[in-house]
Amino acid sequence: EAGVAQSPRYKIIEKRQSVAFWCNPISGHATLYWYQQILGQGPKLLIQFQNNGVVDDSQLPKDRFSAERLKGVDSTLKIQPAKLEDSAVYLCASSSQDRHYGYTFGSGTRLTVV
Amino acid sequence: LAKTTQPISMDSYEGQEVNITCSHNNIATNDYITWYQQFPSQGPRFIIQGYKTKVTNEVASLFIPADRKSSTLSLPRVSLSDTAVYYCLVGGDRDDKIIFGKGTRLHILP
Repeated sequence: EAGVAQSPRYKIIEKRQSVAFWCNPISGHATLYWYQQILGQGPKLLIQFQNNGVVDDSQLPKDRFSAERLKGVDSTLKIQPAKLEDSAVYLCASSSQDRHYGYTFGSGTRLTVV
Repeated sequence: LAKTTQPISMDSYEGQEVNITCSHNNIATNDYITWYQQFPSQGPRFIIQGYKTKVTNEVASLFIPADRKSSTLSLPRVSLSDTAVYYCLVGGDRDDKIIFGKGTRLHILP
């Protein structure tokens, strides 16, 4: 079974620029999550999708972050404009309806804002 | 969502059994306990999940007392490659989001 695919693997941008991350979840997984992980901390949930609908985006800084999941499969997370404090690893995870096998995470995109 | 408390860091030696305990005093009736492992530059990886008593798989064992207010992840005969951050999480419903704490940094010494 293929895992959760994320790209790019690394990204360096200047502050105030925009950036987008892409995630392809495991086939058949209805639920998709985006997490932000700052160095030395645990992952922080940004947004949760169920198919192509948003379940929870309470922690998403909506003035600069946006996410979409068209057709309930792939998802993109965008930051515009980026700030220095956005430097982090952005992780995508997916899960099936049966949560008893946990979430499957991708390897993440490491963003550095300079 | 139940909050979890676990040690910030632990050291052990190769070949030893390592036990990491997590406290979750406010665990709800329908909550499961799940442990993840995270290596540098990788996303967290599911290790084991349980509801009560004991669960064992090819990687670890999970011990949960009757009151379910804590749980212990047991890693048998650790090796250097088990050096990682281990997260304990609780959650239940299918739509329930999982919240990560700071985890336990396990360092295995030769």
